[in-house]
Amino acid sequence: AQSVTQLDSHVSVSEGTPVLLRCNYSSSYSPSLFWYVQHPNKGLQLLLKYTSAATLVKGINGFEAEFKKSETSFHLTKPSAHMSDAAEYFCVVTRRTSGYSTLTFGKGTMLLVSP
Amino acid sequence: NAGVTQTPKFQVLKTGQSMTLQCAQDMNHNSMYWYRQDPGMGLRLIYYSASEGTTDKGEVPNGYNVSRLNKREFSLRLESAAPSQTSVYFCASSEPRRELTDEQFFGPGTRLTVL
Repeated sequence: AQSVTQLDSHVSVSEGTPVLLRCNYSSSYSPSLFWYVQHPNKGLQLLLKYTSAATLVKGINGFEAEFKKSETSFHLTKPSAHMSDAAEYFCVVTRRTSGYSTLTFGKGTMLLVSP
Repeated sequence: NAGVTQTPKFQVLKTGQSMTLQCAQDMNHNSMYWYRQDPGMGLRLIYYSASEGTTDKGEVPNGYNVSRLNKREFSLRLESAAPSQTSVYFCASSEPRRELTDEQFFGPGTRLTVL
């Protein structure tokens, strides 16, 4: 079985300061890992994905995440927050079975950005 | 290319009423999924269809039924709605055979309230 723990339900930063959203996972398989973002009253958009290639993954809007197998972590970072980054972020682990996959979502981290 | 579309966007039901949420994708994906999103819970998988003609239960299937009408369409039915089914429902699709990335593409969601 796989699981995802997002360590913070809310993170508050000031515009222009770094962002760190923490995620730990558990999986019996070699997982694929994703970060999705959801802006208020919108659907989910893929930020970035890890699929066993490079451990440092770059995504859209300046976000990146590093896969650390020894720590079972996949933390999301951005050097400088922008007001438009305010949203809810979900860390996701996949399970592949017989050619299809299911996703397990973390409970989400709400990122608040103040001027 | 609309991606994943869902109808309706909003719905209010009374307890005991039935309704069907519709989902369609135009990306020729084999797999489709239904999730529900509740505050503080992330997204939880209700049902999925790995390919046309197959459906399987996810994490929270009770009170729901699904139909994979054809490769494009995957509907979710509430036979007798209950207040506990008040939620935002997301449909998603993926093509796991391609690129092996397991990425899922999400629709805009249906906001359902059961009184």
